[in-house]
Amino acid sequence: GAGVSQSPSNKVTEKGKDVELRCDPISGHTALYWYRQRLGQGLEFLIYFQGNSAPDKSGLPSDRFSAERTGESVSTLTIQRTQQEDSAVYLCASSRAGANEKLFFGSGTQLSVL
Amino acid sequence: SQQGEEDPQALSIQEGENATMNCSYKTSINNLQWYRQNSGRGLVHLILIRSNEREKHSGRLRVTLDTSKKSSSLLITASRAADTASYFCATAGNTPLVFGKGTRLSVIA
Repeated sequence: GAGVSQSPSNKVTEKGKDVELRCDPISGHTALYWYRQRLGQGLEFLIYFQGNSAPDKSGLPSDRFSAERTGESVSTLTIQRTQQEDSAVYLCASSRAGANEKLFFGSGTQLSVL
Repeated sequence: SQQGEEDPQALSIQEGENATMNCSYKTSINNLQWYRQNSGRGLVHLILIRSNEREKHSGRLRVTLDTSKKSSSLLITASRAADTASYFCATAGNTPLVFGKGTRLSVIA
């Protein structure tokens, strides 16, 4: 696609429910990142995929968070048993290669946990 | 932590004035990048400066990097109301890009 696409753009869920967030990176981009941004705050790194290498999961805040990526395409971020503190914008980004290249961001998913 | 820290947290200027934002970081880097964010959603890449570069220009943007002080600055000249946004620095090294908390710039027409 022309840009990084994220869906849904907004998600409202009840505390305790599971949610899945989707990211379609730019075609040909081997690197994919997930970040979380709470209101008025900076970006928290969650997870990084690079090609077929094992993902860097060092930023995942708890075992309720997981992410998968199929090859060099779509990624899903799953949050199980959502809590109110999970409310944030979840941003996905991709880059051509490596951890030092410029990132192209999607518009994010605004998650609200009631 | 490699995290960049922007300064000031918020900046308000008149249209036509210059805006300067600073970023400090703690460890060695390969490059430093600046991004812009409108309305709390996706970020847009503005400029990348490598560790062996000291200054870079792109249109009305000027970025400097001082690796000895572990600091960078972003200058926006002749600001416009449309420059109103949050600006983030991000450092690239041995870990995925690490972002600071940002500077909120308001340009008043």
